[in-house]
Amino acid sequence: GQNIDQPTEMTATEGAIVQINCTYQTSGFNGLFWYQQHAGEAPTFLSYNVLDGLEEKGRFSSFLSRSKGYSYLLLKELQMKDSASYLCAVRGLNTDKLIFGTGTRLQVFP
Amino acid sequence: DGGITQSPKYLFRKEGQNVTLSCEQNLNHDAMYWYRQDPGQGLRLIYYSQIVNDFQKGDIAEGYSVSREKKESFPLTVTSAQKNPTAFYLCASSIVGGGGNQPQHFGDGTRLSIL
Repeated sequence: GQNIDQPTEMTATEGAIVQINCTYQTSGFNGLFWYQQHAGEAPTFLSYNVLDGLEEKGRFSSFLSRSKGYSYLLLKELQMKDSASYLCAVRGLNTDKLIFGTGTRLQVFP
Repeated sequence: DGGITQSPKYLFRKEGQNVTLSCEQNLNHDAMYWYRQDPGQGLRLIYYSQIVNDFQKGDIAEGYSVSREKKESFPLTVTSAQKNPTAFYLCASSIVGGGGNQPQHFGDGTRLSIL
């Protein structure tokens, strides 16, 4: 079967660092995407990993370990506007389709 | 500006009624997708299309229908056979076979409710 797991909710303080984990079990793997979605809005693309290691993009970084079926999204210097849901999605082999996790709702407090 | 436009933003359906959600893109993408989003369940794929005049069922196609007569347009009809249509519907598009870091791009969604 295919399964993607993320924590349902997380909270953090403005200025802090938070790590959102994603574990996956899929029949094939050809990349992992992270999206940000504010309530009632469109998901927006944050990052992509296909090889093991860390990809850094400003305050956001994403890590992948293919052997462990594991990724995390790291958010630094948290701001109130980072309060949103963060969606982990995996693309299988020979397809453009994505399988999405249930998303992690992050609340940032002052 | 290129993007994906969904309309309407809010839609209400009466019992026994079919309703159609619009999705238009000017990104020149070949692939288009429809997802349903329910609280606590993430995005689930309803239908997708990789080329004009062709489309495939996703994981939850029952009670829905689509058409792809133009590259830019991929309307979704929620039929009366869909007994629980209340959800947030998202349309997306992407390059076909682009691989790499080409993401799916999403519209702003349509929220459908039953009257």
